[in-house]
Amino acid sequence: AQSVAQPEDQVNVAEGNPLTVKCTYSVSGNPYLFWYVQYPNRGLQFLLKYITGDNLVKGSYGFEAEFNKSQTSFHLKKPSALVSDSALYFCAVRDMSDDYKLSFGAGTTVTVRA
Amino acid sequence: EAGVTQFPSHSVIEKGQTVTLRCDPISGHDNLYWYRRVMGKEIKFLLHFVKESKQDESGMPNNRFLAERTGGTYSTLKVQPAELEDSGVYFCASSPRGALNTEAFFGQGTRLTVV
Repeated sequence: AQSVAQPEDQVNVAEGNPLTVKCTYSVSGNPYLFWYVQYPNRGLQFLLKYITGDNLVKGSYGFEAEFNKSQTSFHLKKPSALVSDSALYFCAVRDMSDDYKLSFGAGTTVTVRA
Repeated sequence: EAGVTQFPSHSVIEKGQTVTLRCDPISGHDNLYWYRRVMGKEIKFLLHFVKESKQDESGMPNNRFLAERTGGTYSTLKVQPAELEDSGVYFCASSPRGALNTEAFFGQGTRLTVV
């Protein structure tokens, strides 16, 4: 079985400050990890993924995420948040040995204030 | 390139009625998935098609839900009869065949409200 936990329902930061959205996961094998974002009235949009290799993954819009195997975490980060980053963020995991099914967290609402 | 398209974007129906959701995947994507998010909770897997075949339907809640993908192109998800607990956002996604490490591309979702 696989699962994802996003411990924070909401994250509030000021524009220009660092942004971190937390994610921990559980899989029986090795994970594929993904971050998706949903802007208001839009669909889920892919941000970045960890497959293998470098633990620091860079994605769209200046976001990055760090894979930490010992802590089973995949936190999303952005050094300097923008008001336009306000959205709903989802972390997802897939077991490498499993099929294509993704398991998602409950989502974290990010609000960046000007 | 067109993305994943879902129709309708919103649907409000009464309990006991039937609703059919449609998904047009990205052209050439053999894999098609349905997911659902109930208010405030995680997005949950419903089922997975490879072309026209159901690969995994372990997430389908009950036999009131029927998904089809005739011809391996677009897919429909029918709920009959709808119940209040079926309310939520239904997402469709697609991905190319073969690569487990490829991300899935999602549509904008259909918000279903059963009253």
